[in-house]
Amino acid sequence: DVKVTQSSRYLVKRTGEKVFLECVQDMDHENMFWYRQDPGLGLRLIYFSYDVKMKEKGDIPEGYSVSREKKERFSLILESASTNQTSMYLCASRSAQHSNQPQHFGDGTRLSIL
Amino acid sequence: AQSVAQPEDQVNVAEGNPLTVKCTYSVSGNPYLFWYVQYPNRGLQFLLKYITGDNLVKGSYGFEAEFNKSQTSFHLKKPSALVSDSALYFCAVRDTGYSTLTFGKGTMLLVSP
Repeated sequence: DVKVTQSSRYLVKRTGEKVFLECVQDMDHENMFWYRQDPGLGLRLIYFSYDVKMKEKGDIPEGYSVSREKKERFSLILESASTNQTSMYLCASRSAQHSNQPQHFGDGTRLSIL
Repeated sequence: AQSVAQPEDQVNVAEGNPLTVKCTYSVSGNPYLFWYVQYPNRGLQFLLKYITGDNLVKGSYGFEAEFNKSQTSFHLKKPSALVSDSALYFCAVRDTGYSTLTFGKGTMLLVSP
């Protein structure tokens, strides 16, 4: 089974801090994704990566950046955290060769910015 | 552009009764459609997908969905609901030529004993 692991389940940070959310997958998937989930808004795509060192903006990239130095790891960075970035963050991965296959999700990181 | 709508924020059903969770979509080309389920404090789990072929798709945990091209719908169904089916359900669509999914806002399913 594909396993997508997010390093923290819960995280509390302060306004203005630089925050790193880490995601690792063990199935050699090329594609990786970062979403945020908010009540009533569903999942919204922040950034995605087709492969190592490649990244594309999603629907709501403002205030975020990403890093993909190794195939298995995709990091989401909040350069200067703000309270409106309090949310549930979900990472997902998918094989590029089988793009009609579903994305596989981690269990999420619930981030609170105080 | 691709979009998906889940018109119901919440669906309530009694255990043993059939359930339906609605989803409609909008695409320019051919749709690839997915249903996911999310249990509390967990990520999304894949239930089923429609890519091509038979309009009735069967998935995990006894769920099925019917693709209806004329109505641009992909409703999730189960003949007999269980209390353990209570969760948040997401429909998602990908248009041909797109590489990313667009998710609906989610529908909370509550199954009462």
